[in-house]
Amino acid sequence: NAGVTQTPKFQVLKTGQSMTLQCAQDMNHEYMSWYRQDPGMGLRLIHYSVGAGITDQGEVPNGYNVSRSTTEDFPLRLLSAAPSQTSVYFCASSSLTGWGDTEAFFGQGTRLTVV
Amino acid sequence: AQSVAQPEDQVNVAEGNPLTVKCTYSVSGNPYLFWYVQYPNRGLQFLLKYITGDNLVKGSYGFEAEFNKSQTSFHLKKPSALVSDSALYFCAVRPGGSSNTGKLIFGQGTTLQVKP
Repeated sequence: NAGVTQTPKFQVLKTGQSMTLQCAQDMNHEYMSWYRQDPGMGLRLIHYSVGAGITDQGEVPNGYNVSRSTTEDFPLRLLSAAPSQTSVYFCASSSLTGWGDTEAFFGQGTRLTVV
Repeated sequence: AQSVAQPEDQVNVAEGNPLTVKCTYSVSGNPYLFWYVQYPNRGLQFLLKYITGDNLVKGSYGFEAEFNKSQTSFHLKKPSALVSDSALYFCAVRPGGSSNTGKLIFGQGTTLQVKP
């Protein structure tokens, strides 16, 4: 089982460039989310989606866009990269069946450096 | 505001000794509680969860956690630490009831260092 697949694993961008981080899951999970991980700050939620066509902002959404056209895919777009967006990005998915008590499954992460 | 706190940046234990990684939370409703582990350059792996029922839950790799509602805590424990347990541990909470939107709130993480 593939689970949650993120691409690319590593990326270096110049300030002002744009890029899309890809995330795909094959578990038919309704809920998908993007986090960034910075030292000493844990994981902070950027954007999330509870189903195709539905997205919402998390804790740190500025500078990022998302869309959810299918259940499987949830890409994260950086429109104009800034050095403050240097971080490790994780995509996660979980089922919302029942009371939402299921664990989240995480991708392997994308290490992004903006110079 | 809803939050999760892991008061220790790092926990050091000797191999074979018991370990505890602390977590306290502040969320509305009856929360769902999780522990995840992250090995270097890897994603987060699920360890265990508390949903309801017995306050002591058992998970992967011999880990367990104790839910204490009055102290709003969910400490991770293991009776005998292994060097291979050395990793970064995250506590996470999903608010329950009407506050449940599926979102997970993470603590800042605790590095566990187990020395031979």
